[in-house]
Amino acid sequence: GNSVTQMEGPVTLSEEAFLTINCTYTATGYPSLFWYVQYPGEGLQLLLKATKADDKGSNKGFEATYRKETTSFHLEKGSVQVSDSAVYFCALFSGTYKYIFGTGTRLKVLA
Amino acid sequence: DTAVSQTPKYLVTQMGNDKSIKCEQNLGHDTMYWYKQDSKKFLKIMFSYNNKELIINETVPNRFSPKSPDKAHLNLHINSLELGDSAVYFCASSQVTSGTDTQYFGPGTRLTVL
Repeated sequence: GNSVTQMEGPVTLSEEAFLTINCTYTATGYPSLFWYVQYPGEGLQLLLKATKADDKGSNKGFEATYRKETTSFHLEKGSVQVSDSAVYFCALFSGTYKYIFGTGTRLKVLA
Repeated sequence: DTAVSQTPKYLVTQMGNDKSIKCEQNLGHDTMYWYKQDSKKFLKIMFSYNNKELIINETVPNRFSPKSPDKAHLNLHINSLELGDSAVYFCASSQVTSGTDTQYFGPGTRLTVL
């Protein structure tokens, strides 16, 4: 079946550091891939998405590229801020009314 | 305007009680979901409804009963609450058939069973 694997956290970085959160997936066909972010006390919100191979999703300085050859969708940001502290979820959707979420990666950015 | 809203935001109750959580979306979406998030932030899908019909039921105890009176609402009723039901419950919606498959989440309901 479909699955998403993302790196375990927590990830602790200093402000302005480079961020990578790894995400790999297993799926049949051509799923859409997402990164969602959950700030403390809130629901998940879409950060970025990509719907086909080699697409790059980007938002708020975050980027992720849909790599079919490596079945990956790693999240990157060149310079993190304290306000980026949150839990990040990688997810896929393959059109069967069911989204598959990773286990979440907590990011803590220190001033 | 809030796209996906849930009530209540917090729910504290005793074991054995019955409680309901309400969810409404004003996005015109056809599909709605309930998720359970545990203390480690793991997100587990419970139910999915499309056009008021149950599509997904992920091995959830039958103490949990979703009800969708119309496309904009998906409520969750829980009977005989147990300690292990304590979690944050999220409602979400999406428009799967349009190809815009982004899910929109509500703010969550934190359920504490004492």
